[in-house]
Amino acid sequence: AQSVTQLDSQVPVFEEAPVELRCNYSSSVSVYLFWYVQYPNQGLQLLLKYLSGSTLVESINGFEAEFNKSQTSFHLRKPSVHISDTAEYFCAVSDRRGNTGKLIFGQGTTLQVKP
Amino acid sequence: NAGVTQTPKFRVLKTGQSMTLLCAQDMNHEYMYWYRQDPGMGLRLIHYSVGEGTTAKGEVPDGYNVSRLKKQNFLLGLESAAPSQTSVYFCASREPTGRITGELFFGEGSRLTVL
Repeated sequence: AQSVTQLDSQVPVFEEAPVELRCNYSSSVSVYLFWYVQYPNQGLQLLLKYLSGSTLVESINGFEAEFNKSQTSFHLRKPSVHISDTAEYFCAVSDRRGNTGKLIFGQGTTLQVKP
Repeated sequence: NAGVTQTPKFRVLKTGQSMTLLCAQDMNHEYMYWYRQDPGMGLRLIHYSVGEGTTAKGEVPDGYNVSRLKKQNFLLGLESAAPSQTSVYFCASREPTGRITGELFFGEGSRLTVL
């Protein structure tokens, strides 16, 4: 079984400041890793994912996340945030070898970008 | 291309009433999922389906039933609603693991209040 822990429920930050949203996971098998973003009153959208290869993955809007196998972490970072980044962010894992495609989500981190 | 569509988007029920949430996807995806989202708890999997005519239990299946009579539709039923089922419900779909990258496509959510 897998579990995901997002260490911060809320992260307030000023515009143009850097931010890190922390995610740790537990699993007895190899996993795929994802970050999803949920803007107010919307469904979740994929932000970025780690499947294999380079442990540093990037999104089109400046976010990046690094898979650290020894730390079982997949922290999300952005060097300079914008007001429009205000949203809830979810870290998720799925079993590489499973045939159900289930995602296990963390509790979510609300990013509040202040002007 | 509509993607994943959920109906209704809002509903208020009295304790003991029944209702059905409909999820429809037009991407010809095999796998479909129902999650519930509650504050501080992230998304939890209720039931899922890996193909037409199949369903399986997720993390929190009690009090819910599902059906997948057609590939494009996944129905979530509450036979006797309880206040603990007040939540936002999300449907998602995807291709089977290994075929593509495993991204989940989400609907916009259905907000259910049980009085």
